[in-house]
Amino acid sequence: AQSVTQLGSHVSVSEGALVLLRCNYSSSVPPYLFWYVQYPNQGLQLLLKYTSAATLVKGINGFEAEFKKSETSFHLTKPSAHMSDAAEYFCAVSDLDTGNQFYFGTGTSLTVIP
Amino acid sequence: NAGVTQTPKFRILKIGQSMTLQCTQDMNHNYMYWYRQDPGMGLKLIYYSVGAGITDKGEVPNGYNVSRSTTEDFPLRLELAAPSQTSVYFCASTRTGAASGANVLTFGAGSRLTVL
Repeated sequence: AQSVTQLGSHVSVSEGALVLLRCNYSSSVPPYLFWYVQYPNQGLQLLLKYTSAATLVKGINGFEAEFKKSETSFHLTKPSAHMSDAAEYFCAVSDLDTGNQFYFGTGTSLTVIP
Repeated sequence: NAGVTQTPKFRILKIGQSMTLQCTQDMNHNYMYWYRQDPGMGLKLIYYSVGAGITDKGEVPNGYNVSRSTTEDFPLRLELAAPSQTSVYFCASTRTGAASGANVLTFGAGSRLTVL
């Protein structure tokens, strides 16, 4: 089975600073990769997804992620943090053959300091 | 378009009680899923369904049951509630066959269950 590792269960950044949330996957064959965001007391929403069309993927709210096969990574970045970015972020993968089995990381809680 | 609707949002159960978490989607999605979310553990798959009448176990199915009699509904049943089932439960759905191959999950808002 696939697995996803998110380094850092809690990340704090100052407002306006760079946001970097790390995600590594385990598959030798690059799977489909996703970042989801969960705001307090809400369900998860899709931020962006990687489908092999481009290694740099742009998502909503100014977030982007870069797929690096050599590092088996799919880190999420945003140049300038906003207070509204405070949330839980989950990296996920799905298998290539069916695309219907999803595996989630343990999540990273982002705090933005004013 | 309501998306995925879960009820109830909150529930407190006593040990040994039973209850059903309801999940309905109006997007004509064929796949539906139940996850539980525990602090620091991410999301764990309980059960999933590939279509009406077909269900299968996920990673943590013990203590739960599901049914899928229609495309829209996928209820999760807890027969004998235990404190270990205290968690936040999320229902999700997706339609297969995306052009890119990457099917995207749509989540409900969650159901917070406490077993005392």
